[in-house]
Amino acid sequence: DIQMTQSPSLLSASVGDRVTLSCKASQNIYKYLNWYQQKLGEAPKLLIYYTNSLQTGIPSRFSGSGSGTDYTLTISSLQPEDVATYFCQQYNSWFTFGSGTKLEIK
Amino acid sequence: EVQLVESGGGLVQPGRSLKLSCAASGFTFSNYYMAWVRQAPKKGLEWVATISTSGSRTYYPDSVKGRFTISRDNAKSSLYLQMNSLKSEDTATYYCARLGTGKGYFDYWGQGVMVTVSS
Repeated sequence: DIQMTQSPSLLSASVGDRVTLSCKASQNIYKYLNWYQQKLGEAPKLLIYYTNSLQTGIPSRFSGSGSGTDYTLTISSLQPEDVATYFCQQYNSWFTFGSGTKLEIK
Repeated sequence: EVQLVESGGGLVQPGRSLKLSCAASGFTFSNYYMAWVRQAPKKGLEWVATISTSGSRTYYPDSVKGRFTISRDNAKSSLYLQMNSLKSEDTATYYCARLGTGKGYFDYWGQGVMVTVSS
């Protein structure tokens, strides 16, 4: 099974900051990596698929990058509505999610 | 507008069964793979099952294989999850999700339904 490790587990940043979230796979996942945003009490929402493709309707301040085992989600300018938990998910071998990064406003 | 609405959750005793339903609308249901994903209280997400467009192929992780069965009725635009031999560790919110055209990402999710397994 492929394990996904996200860091940090909790991130506190100020409005307007550039924020980077990390996700590391236990083996090469060949860019088969997605990112989701989950706000409190809501279902997850797809943000980014196949490492760097922005889902329709998602603001352009969200971007993804990476290759091999290491991937990042970047928010170029943090907004109050971005407070949420972010999960990465691989699909190179079935589906596995990371444990999440909780993002809060400082 | 794509909508996925789950139902059928509740409190069930260990060892018993429960069947979840998901009503889909706003898209051609029969054209998409569908899945169930669960989230234990204050925990991460876990993929539970996937079904092909026709329903002829199903896929499960080892944690539920042999106990859970995913099915669909394309005429009714509905997805189901039959859960047998339930365990306390199956306690979670269960989400119905659509798999995107690449079949690797979940592009739409329902609001979720809670299943509690407890005596």
